[in-house]
Amino acid sequence: DIVMTQSPDSLAVSLGERATINCKSSQSVLYSSNNKNYLAWYQQNPGQPPKLLIYWASTRESGVPDRFSGSGSGTDFTLTISSLQAEDVAVYHCHQYYTTPGTFGQGTRLEI
Amino acid sequence: EMQLVQSGAEVKKPGESLKISCKGSGYSFSSYWIGWVRQMPGKGLEWMGIIYPGDSDTRYNASFEGQVTISVDKSISTAYLQWSSLKASDTAMYYCARFKAVAGTAYGMDVWGQGTTVTVSS
Repeated sequence: DIVMTQSPDSLAVSLGERATINCKSSQSVLYSSNNKNYLAWYQQNPGQPPKLLIYWASTRESGVPDRFSGSGSGTDFTLTISSLQAEDVAVYHCHQYYTTPGTFGQGTRLEI
Repeated sequence: EMQLVQSGAEVKKPGESLKISCKGSGYSFSSYWIGWVRQMPGKGLEWMGIIYPGDSDTRYNASFEGQVTISVDKSISTAYLQWSSLKASDTAMYYCARFKAVAGTAYGMDVWGQGTTVTVSS
């Protein structure tokens, strides 16, 4: 199985500042037939299910604010929140769906 | 509105059986994979398995194969996750989610159920 490793495990950022979360996969998740990275990012607020933020490593899901952006390719990926808002306090998960089973990172807790 | 609605919280004893459900609406249920994801208390997400309602094609994470059964009744747009003999270690939140894959391109899990809490305790 592909192992997904996120860093850091937790992160505290001031309101209005940039937050950066990293995700590394144990093998490439780049699907060569369409040149898309099968990597997603989810936000999970306390007591809520995860919410899809980013798919294909860098494409924002409909309705997701543009302060959220994803980057990276192959095995190294980053989720960036450009200007932290109070409602962004959550746990963030990366997810590779290149293989079955899909696998998730361990999650990164983002605090103010 | 696309949604997945899961059955309610369950409290069971070790050794008991259980079947929880996930009902889809607002989209063509048969045309999208449904996955099950476990989240143990205070822990991360674990991909358990996935089923395609159109033909019941099912794939399991090896870690869960033989421990749970995933099934579907497409006539009522409902997927199921079941255990024949629960253990205390099955205590967790279980989510179903739609896995969007269209025309050979996969997008991720874009619609999630609200979760079903399963507590197994003697």
